[in-house]
Amino acid sequence: NAGVTQTPKFQVLKTGQSMTLQCAQDMNHNSMYWYRQDPGMGLRLIYYSASEGTTDKGEVPNGYNVSRLNKREFSLRLESAAPSQTSVYFCASSEGRNEQYFGPGTRLTVT
Amino acid sequence: RKEVEQDPGPFNVPEGATVAFNCTYSNSASQSFFWYRQDCRKEPKLLMSVYSSGNEDGRFTAQLNRASQYISLLIRDSKLSDSATYLCVVNKYYGGSQGNLIFGKGTKLSVKP
Repeated sequence: NAGVTQTPKFQVLKTGQSMTLQCAQDMNHNSMYWYRQDPGMGLRLIYYSASEGTTDKGEVPNGYNVSRLNKREFSLRLESAAPSQTSVYFCASSEGRNEQYFGPGTRLTVT
Repeated sequence: RKEVEQDPGPFNVPEGATVAFNCTYSNSASQSFFWYRQDCRKEPKLLMSVYSSGNEDGRFTAQLNRASQYISLLIRDSKLSDSATYLCVVNKYYGGSQGNLIFGKGTKLSVKP
């Protein structure tokens, strides 16, 4: 079992470029999440998907879009990257609203 | 009061010491409580769930005080490998249903030889 996987591990973008962060889980979990983590801010929820076919905004959704492609995969898209989106992005999954399991993260720098 | 509040530390302790972390939460209706561990530049990993009666896993003991809305984590006989940031996690609970998890900002622990 790989658990939760994320690609890419690292990415550097120029302001205005777009990219999609990929996440997949093999634990057959219904719920999936995208967080960002900045120094001193802790983990902040961007978007989540309680089940296949549904997505909802979290605490900091502006500048992001998501797609729940199927039960396994949940992607995060930055349409026009800004320096304020420089962060570490974590994907997580859970069964219901219980403990979450995290992927290894994507370190994104926007210049 | 912040939703989940922790002392940021850092806690610098010698090997073998006992160290305790505290956490307070604001939503009295919260139902689920966890401690996560996050190593530097790594993802958070579940350390243990916290049950009403308190629970222990080896050198780690977690306790919950619902009346005071307070959670604690005790680490006995600290090891160098315990050095990490410890995140207190509580679920939101509103409108009669369980919501998403809220993560504290974490308490940094550094265990020295």
